[in-house]
Amino acid sequence: ETGVTQTPRHLVMGMTNKKSLKCEQHLGHNAMYWYKQSAKKPLELMFVYNFKEQTENNSVPSRFSPECPNSSHLFLHLHTLQPEDSALYLCASSAADPSYEQYFGPGTRLTVT
Amino acid sequence: DQQVKQNSPSLSVQEGRISILNCDYTNSMFDYFLWYKKYPAEGPTFLISISSIKDKNEDGRFTVFLNKSAKHLSLHIVPSQPGDSAVYFCAASSGGSQGNLIFGKGTKLSVKP
Repeated sequence: ETGVTQTPRHLVMGMTNKKSLKCEQHLGHNAMYWYKQSAKKPLELMFVYNFKEQTENNSVPSRFSPECPNSSHLFLHLHTLQPEDSALYLCASSAADPSYEQYFGPGTRLTVT
Repeated sequence: DQQVKQNSPSLSVQEGRISILNCDYTNSMFDYFLWYKKYPAEGPTFLISISSIKDKNEDGRFTVFLNKSAKHLSLHIVPSQPGDSAVYFCAASSGGSQGNLIFGKGTKLSVKP
């Protein structure tokens, strides 16, 4: 238990669906991250929020839309995804910048059909 | 182009022996390096780190060595235990406001009883 929870753990969605991934951290951290892990690829940083402000968007397609209403919660809204978006989506948090040690949630396994 | 490379996708070691996991990087601006461990169905968990001002950091059975001139770091686990079987990710950071991490693809370690 790392103090970072993610729901749902598994999600299957069609290309026309809209769904959201949720992340919550109970560590008092101020930075939160979304990563994508595809098979046989390194973890890819998608978005960074620091004190609720988005500070990094790593050239992510607009069909992925993040939301950070407060420092403890992070959402990833999904719409009109493609099959190649199927992957493990990991949320992480860290203390106020700079902090190199990030604490990860268990991830959401997403399958786009 | 990958900035952090783990060239061995897998490694098998006998229990009680030493496990050596290797990582190479290309960006000379990286100044902090971390190792994460990941079990199936869980997110990565922080294991050990090293700053570029050091060449060795030890924590119990885990030791990380950094060779800046060769842009190479390694994780030594001794003695290896079956519970160490997991995927190990090397990560590096060049600082910046959030300490964003660049990950390698991971090495799957299997420790056989």
